[in-house]
Amino acid sequence: NAGVTQTPKFQVLKTGQSMTLQCAQDMNHEYMSWYRQDPGMGLRLIHYSVGAGITDQGEVPNGYNVSRSTTEDFPLRLLSAAPSQTSVYFCASCGGAPYNEQFFGPGTRLTVL
Amino acid sequence: GENVEQHPSTLSVQEGDSAVIKCTYSDSASNYFPWYKQELGKGPQLIIDIRSNVGEKKDQRIAVTLNKTAKHFSLHITETQPEDSAVYFCAARTGTSYGKLTFGQGTILTVHP
Repeated sequence: NAGVTQTPKFQVLKTGQSMTLQCAQDMNHEYMSWYRQDPGMGLRLIHYSVGAGITDQGEVPNGYNVSRSTTEDFPLRLLSAAPSQTSVYFCASCGGAPYNEQFFGPGTRLTVL
Repeated sequence: GENVEQHPSTLSVQEGDSAVIKCTYSDSASNYFPWYKQELGKGPQLIIDIRSNVGEKKDQRIAVTLNKTAKHFSLHITETQPEDSAVYFCAARTGTSYGKLTFGQGTILTVHP
């Protein structure tokens, strides 16, 4: 199993550009999430999904969109990038009960100029 | 919503010493508390977790304790080794919200040989 994979690993955008961060998992997990990591602030939840076709907002959803058309994929879209979205983005998946562990991908480092 | 505070932000120890990291949470409905280790350039990896119906859990050199009354939990690492050097995060989850973890701010642990 590859686990949770993310692409790209690095990305530089200009203010106002749009892009999609890709996330895929091959563990047949129902739950998938996107977090952003900023210095001194830990990881903060952006959006999450409890299954295909079902998504909900986390703590910091503004400026981001998600969709979940398949169990495997959970892309994160930045509609109009802003410098405040410069961060490291992590995708995670979880199998739910009785397994609690969230598995994280390797991350995408995004810089918005 | 849930709020998790983590201390200290940095911790420096000599090889062989013990290290303790503490977290407090605000939501009494939280029932699952994982600890993650993050090495440079990688995603967080679960090292140990505890559920609210257990007061203590141990796995070799790592242990976690939970005090539900005081709403705090701690990570204990004994006989530290240089390879324990990393960033450690505590987190909390409420109920069956498997896709939603609230993280602490992180602790940079440095183990000096």
